[in-house]
Amino acid sequence: EVQLVESGGGLVQPGGSLKLSCAASGFTFSDSGIHWVRQASGKGLEWVGHIRSKTNNYATAFAASVTGRFAISRDDSSNTAYLQMNSLKIEDTAVYFCVSQQFLEWFAWGQGTLVTVSS
Amino acid sequence: EIVLTQSPGTLSLSPGERATLSCRASQSVSTSFLAWYQQKPGQAPRLLIYATSNRATGIPDRFSGSGSGTDFTLTISRLEPEDFAMYYCQQFDGSPVGFGQGTKVDIK
Repeated sequence: EVQLVESGGGLVQPGGSLKLSCAASGFTFSDSGIHWVRQASGKGLEWVGHIRSKTNNYATAFAASVTGRFAISRDDSSNTAYLQMNSLKIEDTAVYFCVSQQFLEWFAWGQGTLVTVSS
Repeated sequence: EIVLTQSPGTLSLSPGERATLSCRASQSVSTSFLAWYQQKPGQAPRLLIYATSNRATGIPDRFSGSGSGTDFTLTISRLEPEDFAMYYCQQFDGSPVGFGQGTKVDIK
């Protein structure tokens, strides 16, 4: 069964840091790109960033709203991707989903992990 | 940046009726990079359609997608009770990746 499981969410103060994990199983993780997408309560979907596969040199890209503050990495040996979030702002409060992509399909989404930025 | 605009915002229909959802892009999008998702409250989105018209694994054939250029459509031929949900279109032809604001299909 294809599965993505996020963890690491929680409450953090403005200006703080948090690192999310995305554990994958049931597919060839090393061949997949991994995206992070977030959703504030009652709002739509916002792409955060992605990391490509080794074949694509582990290239990363980010939304303008998080560039310079967020980083994405991966460990293909443990089938896990990470989202490092620094200098967090109140507007970063959202449920964060990791999503796997192969070719044209974003074929699996995790259940999401809630990040709350508040003092 | 490619902006996706979905219409209508809310579609109120009865089970068994046909639903037609629109997604318009601010500039041309390759059909390869246009997808549709369904999301129910408290759940993650689920891929319905990829590359404009290809059903994802396990998606029933009452769901179909079409379009090209700047205009794309998701059609649900006969609404089942489980189809009442939020639907999003997505493009990943250009950076950044973008999603439409969503169309809510609710029970009339």
